[in-house]
Amino acid sequence: AQRVTQPEKLLSVFKGAPVELKCNYSYSGSPELFWYVQYSRQRLQLLLRHISRESIKGFTADLNKGETSFHLKKPFAQEEDSAMYYCALGNFNKFYFGSGTKLNVKP
Amino acid sequence: EAGVAQSPRYKIIEKRQSVAFWCNPISGHATLYWYQQILGQGPKLLIQFQNNGVVDDSQLPKDRFSAERLKGVDSTLKIQPAKLEDSAVYLCASSLGTSGGLKTQYFGPGTRLLVL
Repeated sequence: AQRVTQPEKLLSVFKGAPVELKCNYSYSGSPELFWYVQYSRQRLQLLLRHISRESIKGFTADLNKGETSFHLKKPFAQEEDSAMYYCALGNFNKFYFGSGTKLNVKP
Repeated sequence: EAGVAQSPRYKIIEKRQSVAFWCNPISGHATLYWYQQILGQGPKLLIQFQNNGVVDDSQLPKDRFSAERLKGVDSTLKIQPAKLEDSAVYLCASSLGTSGGLKTQYFGPGTRLLVL
């Protein structure tokens, strides 16, 4: 069963526009959710965790248990945000990644 | 702080051959993960070690894949014999632990495997 769904393979926005990368999950219980990012020619790295409730590089993500979603948002996209974004779910000793969304921020 | 190291970075082999990948985690990280990332997909966890013990290997194709972390530090992942569908990037990651903030995973650069 697919645990993490990212419905958009590619999302293109203009610089300064708001951006929302969608993530839905299927899990009964209290999952831990993460967003990982991979910039061009760099390693996969953690962007943020839902437990921390923090804003990193202007990005935020709210866990909505009713809708089983953990969408990533930024009010004003920057060109340097262009990257591959992966939503991930952690359950005890298992991790499930979504298939990723490529964000392209156009000048 | 040095990051997670992996070698080789690229490997091309023919089907039915064997191949091994090496990973050196960040110093002090007790948990080590191996992922398989097929083109166009997200990483899939193959095996997770806590020190030198296996925590989860439910998605490891054990008929051809094996992994070890003998001294609880570096690790090797082996495929024998390789199939065409094993072509992928193999990622190693490490974390301090498995709870709360310790779960943050740090990834290596990956090994890109092509099976012909």
